[in-house]
Amino acid sequence: GAGVSQSPSNKVTEKGKDVELRCDPISGHTALYWYRQSLGQGLEFLIYFQGNSAPDKSGLPSDRFSAERTGGSVSTLTIQRTQQEDSAVYLCASSLGGQGIHGNTIYFGEGSWLTVV
Amino acid sequence: DQQVKQNSPSLSVQEGRISILNCDYTNSMFDYFLWYKKYPAEGPTFLISISSIKDKNEDGRFTVFLNKSAKHLSLHIVPSQPGDSAVYFCAARPNTGNQFYFGTGTSLTVIP
Repeated sequence: GAGVSQSPSNKVTEKGKDVELRCDPISGHTALYWYRQSLGQGLEFLIYFQGNSAPDKSGLPSDRFSAERTGGSVSTLTIQRTQQEDSAVYLCASSLGGQGIHGNTIYFGEGSWLTVV
Repeated sequence: DQQVKQNSPSLSVQEGRISILNCDYTNSMFDYFLWYKKYPAEGPTFLISISSIKDKNEDGRFTVFLNKSAKHLSLHIVPSQPGDSAVYFCAARPNTGNQFYFGTGTSLTVIP
């Protein structure tokens, strides 16, 4: 697609339920990133994929968080047993990947706004 | 461990004046730096970037300056316009890998 697409755009869920957030990166982008921004906070890195593998998942806050990417394209971020502190906007981004100037810019989607009540 | 720091959470500037947003970093392996702009309820959008082989990059009203010895970069917006009011994030990428490190953002308000 023309840009990074995320779904759902908004999700309200009850505490304790599981949620899945989807990201469809820009076509041809090999690198995919998940960030989140809680209210009043900066961008918090969660996980990064190069192709289908995740060289860096150091930002996942707990073992309730997991992510996968299949076919080098779509990625799903899963949050199990959601807690109120998980409420945030979850941002996905992609880049061409690789070294060199053309791989150096990442492009963000509009975000998935998660509210845990 | 915040490798990219934006120490000013907010900045207010009169319309027409210069806005200067600052960013500091700690990792000497960073070789590419970017600025993003974020409006409420939208994803961040790429604004301007600079490679470590340069010390200045200009695009219209936006100029980014890089001082490698001080590990400092800044974004200048001149003249500032009310539509520039947004949160600005700086980001950096090391010369190995594809990880991007973001600052905590500076909220710019341009007063008409």
